[in-house]
Amino acid sequence: QQQVKQSPQSLIVQKGGISIINCAYENTAFDYFPWYQQFPGKGPALLIAIRPDVSEKKEGRFTISFNKSAKQFSLHIMDSQPGDSATYFCAASRVSGGYNKLIFGAGTRLAVHP
Amino acid sequence: NAGVTQTPKFQVLKTGQSMTLQCAQDMNHEYMSWYRQDPGMGLRLIHYSVGAGITDQGEVPNGYNVSRSTTEDFPLRLLSAAPSQTSVYFCASSRSGIELHTQYFGPGTRLTVL
Repeated sequence: QQQVKQSPQSLIVQKGGISIINCAYENTAFDYFPWYQQFPGKGPALLIAIRPDVSEKKEGRFTISFNKSAKQFSLHIMDSQPGDSATYFCAASRVSGGYNKLIFGAGTRLAVHP
Repeated sequence: NAGVTQTPKFQVLKTGQSMTLQCAQDMNHEYMSWYRQDPGMGLRLIHYSVGAGITDQGEVPNGYNVSRSTTEDFPLRLLSAAPSQTSVYFCASSRSGIELHTQYFGPGTRLTVL
């Protein structure tokens, strides 16, 4: 039972283009929706996160769009650069009711070609 | 600050052998967790702890044991290794409560079970 579904599995974008990764969730009790970035051979690192009462959050070239009614959220990378090539994971966390878990999607491997 | 450290970096086991993956953090974080990463499966939560002496199961706990005697350390024990446990293992830590979504990951341990 996959609580957070992520697509696409892989994505190729030209330098300067927009990368878009989508996620859907089932549990409406989740508190936060973070995105993590992972480079080969490294552990994941937090990129940006959003609360469910906010529709959009932007940090530099990275934007999260959140649609509470559709139970979907997405990561947009503007002006994509070769250095953005990595695997991206969406996730959802919940602390209420003793849940205390951060659940990840399956990941998207992004390649930005020069 | 060293952050989250994991040892060993690589390990090869034979089926039926036991071993302990070590994890330590120096950020005084209450919450610690273990994930396994497999291709196409994302990061799956094995076990987690909200403080010393308190542990609980994640999504895929079978075949693994944990304990938390100190705030800093959270070892993961494989009692009788199986080929299905071949994976990359990540330890992570965070503050508890609303900061749970901001987890700091270690560099990982690549485990092969023959």
